[in-house]
Amino acid sequence: SAVISQKPSRDICQRGTSLTIQCQVDSQVTMMFWYRQQPGQSLTLIATANQGSEATYESGFVIDKFPISRPNLTFSTLTVSNMSPEDSSIYLCSVRLNEQFFGPGTRLTVL
Amino acid sequence: KQEVTQIPAALSVPEGENLVLNCSFTDSAIYNLQWFRQDPGKGLTSLLLIQSSQREQTSGRLNASLDKSSGRSTLYIAASQPGDSATYLCAVPSSGGYQKVTFGTGTKLQVIP
Repeated sequence: SAVISQKPSRDICQRGTSLTIQCQVDSQVTMMFWYRQQPGQSLTLIATANQGSEATYESGFVIDKFPISRPNLTFSTLTVSNMSPEDSSIYLCSVRLNEQFFGPGTRLTVL
Repeated sequence: KQEVTQIPAALSVPEGENLVLNCSFTDSAIYNLQWFRQDPGKGLTSLLLIQSSQREQTSGRLNASLDKSSGRSTLYIAASQPGDSATYLCAVPSSGGYQKVTFGTGTKLQVIP
């Protein structure tokens, strides 16, 4: 299994600012995944982060808006840049071993 | 492209009732299927993982079945309790990629005391 922690757990931010979310895993993993869950919706994959290479972004998500770092095999960050109210969501970090594990999520509200 | 649908979208039952949640997927060439529970504003908790070679998995009051040929899975909850109230999501790997996972639309369950 994998235990994943995220920081912050929640934040309220002003329009136009940026927020960096941290994700820490208790074991080394090749891939880390970042998901977004908008209010009342299911999960949407933002990007896949590999250590030592650029993240792979899904359709509709771009690096300028959601830059990702992956400095080692247990840690990743996701930045939500130039935020607008439409970015208000829960952001979830995840890893996949035999099954998928999720962090507790970061609940972001943009005013 | 894998698409995953869950029916019903919401369900309200009295405590003690047995219930079934449904998950349908379009691409039957899956590696496995996973059921999650999500409490409001929280992350996802894994409930059951069914490998493609399995037909069902059980954990306590939960039983999940898998029928790959028909593209369906069910989650059976026996003797429901108010603590079971949550949103239940199924997830399958996306077509062509084991690591990428497509999530269902979710079923919001309310168990009334």
